[in-house]
Amino acid sequence: QQQVKQSPQSLIVQKGGISIINCAYENTAFDYFPWYQQFPGKGPALLIAIRPDVSEKKEGRFTISFNKSAKQFSLHIMDSQPGDSATYFCAASKSGNQFYFGTGTSLTVIP
Amino acid sequence: GAGVSQTPSNKVTEKGKYVELRCDPISGHTALYWYRQSLGQGPEFLIYFQGTGAADDSGLPNDRFFAVRPEGSVSTLKIQRTERGDSAVYLCASSLLPKGTQYFGPGTRLLVL
Repeated sequence: QQQVKQSPQSLIVQKGGISIINCAYENTAFDYFPWYQQFPGKGPALLIAIRPDVSEKKEGRFTISFNKSAKQFSLHIMDSQPGDSATYFCAASKSGNQFYFGTGTSLTVIP
Repeated sequence: GAGVSQTPSNKVTEKGKYVELRCDPISGHTALYWYRQSLGQGPEFLIYFQGTGAADDSGLPNDRFFAVRPEGSVSTLKIQRTERGDSAVYLCASSLLPKGTQYFGPGTRLLVL
């Protein structure tokens, strides 16, 4: 059973556009929601994370929007750049130990 | 400073063989995690160490998989009687404290023929 559902599977965005990736979860005990960026041949790297006591967190061009009642959270990449082309994973954790990852979104930013 | 390192970067073995995958966490990190990532999928949790002990091994798929961290630093993931379905990238991550930010290594790509 997939604990975290992620969409879309792939995304193509023009340079300067906004990339939006969505995730949904079922377990209301999850209390930490990170997003990871992964380049080919590399391990995932933490991009930004949020806890359910806030509805939005922004770091530079990256914003997480969190909807606790809908059990959904999303990543927004503003002013997308070709260097942002990578695979993005959302994840959820209860107590910060075992993490459940989404299936990933392959983002391509076209120059 | 040095990040998480994993060796070997690639491992090809035959069905039924035994393999060991090594993880060197960031110095001073007390927590260590193993994940398995199949092609086109997100990482799948295997086991979590706090210090020398396995705090949560609920993700290990069966008793062919075993992991140790005898001195609270380096960890070894051991797979016995490998099967073709074990082929995947095995990722290791470490964090300074429990529940802290996890830093991933580049992974070991295992191919079982």
